[in-house]
Amino acid sequence: EPEVTQTPSHQVTQMGQEVILRCVPISNHLYFYWYRQILGQKVEFLVSFYNNEISEKSEIFDDQFSVERPDGSNFTLKIRSTKLEDSAMYFCASSVGQETQYFGPGTRLLVL
Amino acid sequence: GQNIDQPTEMTATEGAIVQINCTYQTSGFNGLFWYQQHAGEAPTFLSYNVLDGLEEKGRFSSFLSRSKGYSYLLLKELQMKDSASYLCAVKGSGNTGKLIFGQGTTLQVKP
Repeated sequence: EPEVTQTPSHQVTQMGQEVILRCVPISNHLYFYWYRQILGQKVEFLVSFYNNEISEKSEIFDDQFSVERPDGSNFTLKIRSTKLEDSAMYFCASSVGQETQYFGPGTRLLVL
Repeated sequence: GQNIDQPTEMTATEGAIVQINCTYQTSGFNGLFWYQQHAGEAPTFLSYNVLDGLEEKGRFSSFLSRSKGYSYLLLKELQMKDSASYLCAVKGSGNTGKLIFGQGTTLQVKP
């Protein structure tokens, strides 16, 4: 069964450093998303992406964040200058249309 | 504003039935999802309701009343592996697919 994959599974970085989180969505899916979940808190929407452009972004997704689909398979989230409060689990999700979203296993980001 | 409420924790016995409620107030509604999340893992899709009524899928059923802003997830014949968090998520208005999640209900199944 096809699934969303994410790399790395864990990332430790120093405050102020740039990180790139990578995702490979399910191959025939057209809509892509990033969510985050701070430990013990709810899953929060960051951004949705369709037809090679951002379709919606949340207040969390400020100028420090960017997304890219550099080729036909990868979907990346970049945080330019990480802050302590960026420490969270980051989930990529994808969907065929606008119904069921399938989530990847997540990248646990720790900013020191 | 956007608000989705679920009980924080529930406990049930193996073999029993449990109902997890979710109430929502969102700007627009285009469907309600239930996800299961084991600790440290990704949310896994369980069910999707867009029309009023009951959707049944094996041991799991989900109900929606749009006029009441209410849904529940019903788990039958509970198994120990059902111990997890259950997330209620609403897709609001617009065509971006954005999901708004509740805090999640942590279910503990005891022998």
